[in-house]
Amino acid sequence: DGGITQSPKYLFRKEGQNVTLSCEQNLNHDAMYWYRQDPGQGLRLIYYSQIVNDFQKGDIAEGYSVSREKKESFPLTVTSAQKNPTAFYLCASSMRAGYNEQFFGPGTRLTVL
Amino acid sequence: EDQVTQSPEALRLQEGESSSLNCSYTVSGLRGLFWYRQDPGKGPEFLFTLYSAGEEKEKERLKATLTKKESFLHITAPKPEDSATYLCAVQAVGGSQGNLIFGKGTKLSVKP
Repeated sequence: DGGITQSPKYLFRKEGQNVTLSCEQNLNHDAMYWYRQDPGQGLRLIYYSQIVNDFQKGDIAEGYSVSREKKESFPLTVTSAQKNPTAFYLCASSMRAGYNEQFFGPGTRLTVL
Repeated sequence: EDQVTQSPEALRLQEGESSSLNCSYTVSGLRGLFWYRQDPGKGPEFLFTLYSAGEEKEKERLKATLTKKESFLHITAPKPEDSATYLCAVQAVGGSQGNLIFGKGTKLSVKP
């Protein structure tokens, strides 16, 4: 089955720790995205990548980092610099950036203890 | 500033009671408008893309329409399994290549 997988489903982090969220897609899509979803707010873009070895900051990139070494993978690291990291994180992909609908993974819920 | 507003925030319907959800948008130019369904604790599921005023798309009990300022998601004879949060997003001409602007969603509850 083609799709987007995210792991883990739930993640708990102590303050001061960096954590990495995994996102893999087998849709052969060029573009991948990371969003953050908080209760009562719309999805907000953290980072996106149009092609391998390239990525751009979204609206709320501070405290986050990404890499895109393979077409299929776009991991997100939540660093200790992110002041309020508890949220639901969603990864998405599209055939190419800017012109196609985005398809989402199942999400990772991160809780800071 | 590009903006998307969805109304109502929450909608409770009886099974079989048809209604509509609204998505109003303010963008300098529309590249595309997208509807998604999201169940609790899950990622959004893509439903429709609309590109130009007058366009309509249908899927089972759902029909999405588009005007120059808003989109409607019509739900005909809903069933309890249609209960979910429905998200609207727009992509603006000249906007960032990555950026979909999302509304806050309408939470639909359908009671049997």
